[in-house]
Amino acid sequence: DGGITQSPKYLFRKEGQNVTLSCEQNLNHDAMYWYRQDPGQGLRLIYYSQIVNDFQKGDIAEGYSVSREKKESFPLTVTSAQKNPTAFYLCASDRAGTEAFFGQGTRLTVV
Amino acid sequence: GEDVEQSLFLSVREGDSSVINCTYTDSSSTYLYWYKQEPGAGLQLLTYIFSNMDMKQDQRLTVLLNKKDKHLSLRIADTQTGDSAIYFCAESIARYSTLTFGKGTMLLVSP
Repeated sequence: DGGITQSPKYLFRKEGQNVTLSCEQNLNHDAMYWYRQDPGQGLRLIYYSQIVNDFQKGDIAEGYSVSREKKESFPLTVTSAQKNPTAFYLCASDRAGTEAFFGQGTRLTVV
Repeated sequence: GEDVEQSLFLSVREGDSSVINCTYTDSSSTYLYWYKQEPGAGLQLLTYIFSNMDMKQDQRLTVLLNKKDKHLSLRIADTQTGDSAIYFCAESIARYSTLTFGKGTMLLVSP
């Protein structure tokens, strides 16, 4: 079945470490997105990519990095520069003429 | 800047109708969406409406749009306990564009 898969579901990070969250889609969607969700804050856009090898910063890109080497994959790295990384991270994808589909999310906790 | 506002909490009894409200500020918003999020999960698209429509009905869901007041509502008829979730209103200026989300309305349905 087509879909968008995020892994892992839960991730723990020590302070000062970089961690990478995976997002893979087999929907043949051109655009992919990363959102961060905090309690009571709704979803905020971190980065998005509308085409392979190109991406743009969203509203809260500081402390994060992404790559888009393949159409199917859009990994997000949470760097040590992100001072408050504990949150629920959601990946989404879409293409012209369709609505955004979301993954099941990765909950990142700093220990 | 763009802003989407929602009330944070709604409590109803099973079998009643639920109405979740949303206001937005960007007059160029063209597409308005309702997403549902169950605990610990990603977002599921429920329905959407184009800005040139006033109403859209889909089974138990009715979306009303007042473009003059920039007000969007989602009515759930015969609300069930399985409808308990967080509901997000979102808008975009184009079909292939980033989404701006509200902070979400937590709907609690009691037996």
